Amino acid sequence: AQTVTQSQPEMSVQEAETVTLSCTYDTSESNYYLFWYKQPPSRQMILVIRQEAYKQQNATENRFSVNFQKAAKSFSLKISDSQLGDTAMYFCAFMKLYETSGSRLTFGEGTQLTVNP
Amino acid sequence: NAGVTQTPKFQVLKTGQSMTLQCAQDMNHNSMYWYRQDPGMGLRLIYYSASEGTTDKGEVPNGYNVSRLNKREFSLRLESAAPSQTSVYFCASGYSLSSYEQYFGPGTRLTVT
Repeated sequence: AQTVTQSQPEMSVQEAETVTLSCTYDTSESNYYLFWYKQPPSRQMILVIRQEAYKQQNATENRFSVNFQKAAKSFSLKISDSQLGDTAMYFCAFMKLYETSGSRLTFGEGTQLTVNP
Repeated sequence: NAGVTQTPKFQVLKTGQSMTLQCAQDMNHNSMYWYRQDPGMGLRLIYYSASEGTTDKGEVPNGYNVSRLNKREFSLRLESAAPSQTSVYFCASGYSLSSYEQYFGPGTRLTVT
């Protein structure tokens, strides 16, 4: 079974600064996806960024980028130029693709990020 | 295009009561999922349906049943609610068995007293 660990329950950052959220995972699989989801106070789960394990290049989406270290089983999220709207709970998640039984997500515990003005 | 919808948004039950949480998606997705979210524990998979007519247990299925009514709808039933089932419940859907992206509904906050 896969496990995902986020060791930072809470973090804060000043507006316009950069912050990095940590995530580690444990799996014996070689082919999988990793994700960061954002959950603002509205409770809606929003996909921020994804990384395919077979790709060496780190994924980037505008101000969001990841540092994927496959050997170390580490997957951190960097948010540049933080904005007040980035205040949310952030979840790291793992997915192994099952060919016959569906693709299931395993989530970490979450990191509450607060962006201060 | 409403995406994934869930009803109700909030519900309070007494211990022992039953209820069904409804979920529907209009994206023609094959796979659908039910998760629960508890403080400090992230989201955990309760049940999922890889395709119409099939359902499988996830990580925490005890105390729940599901029905994949058709391709659009996937319901979660609590036969005899317990305080330990107080949680926020999310429904999600994905395009196919190998789709990497799941789309989430707005959630249902359930309190069992």
